[in-house]
Formats: sequence, C-alpha cells, structure tokens
Amino acid sequence: AQSVTQPDIHITVSEGASLELRCNYSYGATPYLFWYVQSPGQGLQLLLKYFSGDTLVQGIKGFEAEFKRSQSSFNLRKPSVHWSDAAEYFCAVGVISFQKLVFGTGTRLLVSP
Amino acid sequence: DTAVSQTPKYLVTQMGNDKSIKCEQNLGHDTMYWYKQDSKKFLKIMFSYNNKELIINETVPNRFSPKSPDKAHLNLHINSLELGDSAVYFCASSQGTSGSQETQYFGPGTRLLVL
Repeated sequence: AQSVTQPDIHITVSEGASLELRCNYSYGATPYLFWYVQSPGQGLQLLLKYFSGDTLVQGIKGFEAEFKRSQSSFNLRKPSVHWSDAAEYFCAVGVISFQKLVFGTGTRLLVSP
Repeated sequence: DTAVSQTPKYLVTQMGNDKSIKCEQNLGHDTMYWYKQDSKKFLKIMFSYNNKELIINETVPNRFSPKSPDKAHLNLHINSLELGDSAVYFCASSQGTSGSQETQYFGPGTRLLVL
C-alpha cells in the first residue's frame, strides 16, 4: 500500500541555520511528490512538487527538495531558516489510481533565536 | 479575496447533534475535497467531488454526507455526532480531475469539538 513516512515528529533549528526534513515514500510506480506547509491555525500551502525531470526542485520561500529514487526519499531543505518558517511540514505522495494524496504524519519545525 | 473559505471556523456541539460545515471556492476549480486532521495532525482524505459528482469516498461512516450544490461549493453534513468526530476538517480544491497530480488549495479549516 502507498505510504509516506516522516521519521522526525519535531525538529528544532536555530535561526539562520540550515534545515533538512526527511520524507520516505512507498509507491509502486513513478511517484508524484509534494511538500505542504501548515502554519499555526491555517490551512496547508504547497511549497513544491515533483513529477518528473530534474530531481532537484525549487519551491517557494527558498525551499528545495531532492528526489532520490534509489532511497525512496524526497527530503526538503532550506539553507537558512527564518523564524517565520516555524510550522508543520507535510510530505505527500499522489496515488494516481485513486486520484488522491496520501500524507505523512508531519514534522513540526521549531525555530530558536 | 479568499480562495477557499470554510464556515464556521469553530464548532462546539454536543454528542448526538447534527451539524454542517460549508465550503466555497472562487478559483473556478473543478474538483473539491474534504479532509480530516486528527489530534495527532494526521491528515486523511474523506471525499472528493468533480463537477458535483462524487469521485472519492473513503472509509467514512455514513453519518458523514457531502453535498455539492454546484462546483464551487462542497458542504459536509454530519449526523449524530460522536466524540471521535472531534478534529479539524479541511476543504480543498484543485483545477482539474487529477487529485493525485495537481496542486490542492486548502481552506483555513473548521475546528470541530464534540462534547
């Protein structure tokens, strides 16, 4: 069955430091992969997505993610974190046969001064 | 101008009551969704509609009934509310029919608390 694993429930990063959030997926075909961010009390907003082509994708707010087929991973990165990046981050895989997204359990990012 | 809006934002009610949550999108999208986010932040799809037609109906109790009067609206009616229904419910929309490939735009959520 299709699934997404985000092994880190929460991560604390100092402001200005780099960030990497991990995402592993299980899917039998070429995956469609997404990263969404949920700020406190808000809905989800798309950061970036991968369908095909270049395995390094750029998103909004200075985020990028790299698709690694051999590792079934789609990790999210940012070179320098800002306090406003504190939020919940969700990785998702698109399940074509069912026309739906399957989400991971999320990683909560805390940013320390 | 809000793209996907939901009302109400907060809903506190007693067990056994019936309640509705409304969702409207002004993006001109063809597909709309309802998601449930539980207390552990796990987000799971419940339903999707494309041009008023039901596409996805996950394993959801039949106390939950979506209704789409037109493609800009997807309401969620819940009968005989139970404690376990307490959650945040998100509405979302996407332009075409491919919910697995397209960007989904989410509303701000409705926080439902059943006492």
